[in-house]
Amino acid sequence: DIVMTQSPDSLAVSLGERATINCKSSQSLLYSSNNKKYYFAWYQQKPGQPPKLLIYWASTRESGVPDRFSGSGSGTDFTLTISSLQAEDVAVYYCQQYYSTPHTFGQGTKLEIK
Amino acid sequence: EVQLVQSGAEVKKPGATVKISCKVSGYTFTDYYMHWVQQAPGKGLEWMGLVDPEDGETIYAEKFQGRVTITADTSTDTAYMELSSLRSEDTAVYYCAIARDSYTPVEDWGLGTLVTVSS
Repeated sequence: DIVMTQSPDSLAVSLGERATINCKSSQSLLYSSNNKKYYFAWYQQKPGQPPKLLIYWASTRESGVPDRFSGSGSGTDFTLTISSLQAEDVAVYYCQQYYSTPHTFGQGTKLEIK
Repeated sequence: EVQLVQSGAEVKKPGATVKISCKVSGYTFTDYYMHWVQQAPGKGLEWMGLVDPEDGETIYAEKFQGRVTITADTSTDTAYMELSSLRSEDTAVYYCAIARDSYTPVEDWGLGTLVTVSS
């Protein structure tokens, strides 16, 4: 199974400041060197709610997701950046690979306001 | 609007079996794979498996292999997840969620079903 490891486990950022969450996979998530697609996604989960898809193919923002959220990375290292933290961004963030089954998740990063 | 409506909370005794349903609307049932994800209280997300409603083909995570059965009923646009030989560690919220296939991200989620395993 592909192991997904997020860092940090928790993060406190001031409103309006940048938040950065990292995720490392135990093997490359690049399916084809031709299309450069990374089989990797970020989800946001608020208390009492199901997860919500934010970013897929490592850097494509889901429709309706604010542009302060961005994804980057390649190979085995990926990053979720929130450019200017808003109060409504308080949540747990998960990375996931869908390169192969089981579609493993990272352990989650809890984002709070400083 | 896509909707995934899950069945209600369950309380089961150790050793019992639970079967959760997920009724969909707002899209063609056979156009999307149905995934199931477990989340224990205060813990992270664990992928359990999926079914292709088109042909009923399933893939299960090894952790749940032998105890989980995921099915899809195209006559009612409903997917099911059955988990047997329940133990206390299976106390969790179980989510159904849809993706285009087994190589795309999950796009929409049900609200979850809480299963409590207690003697």
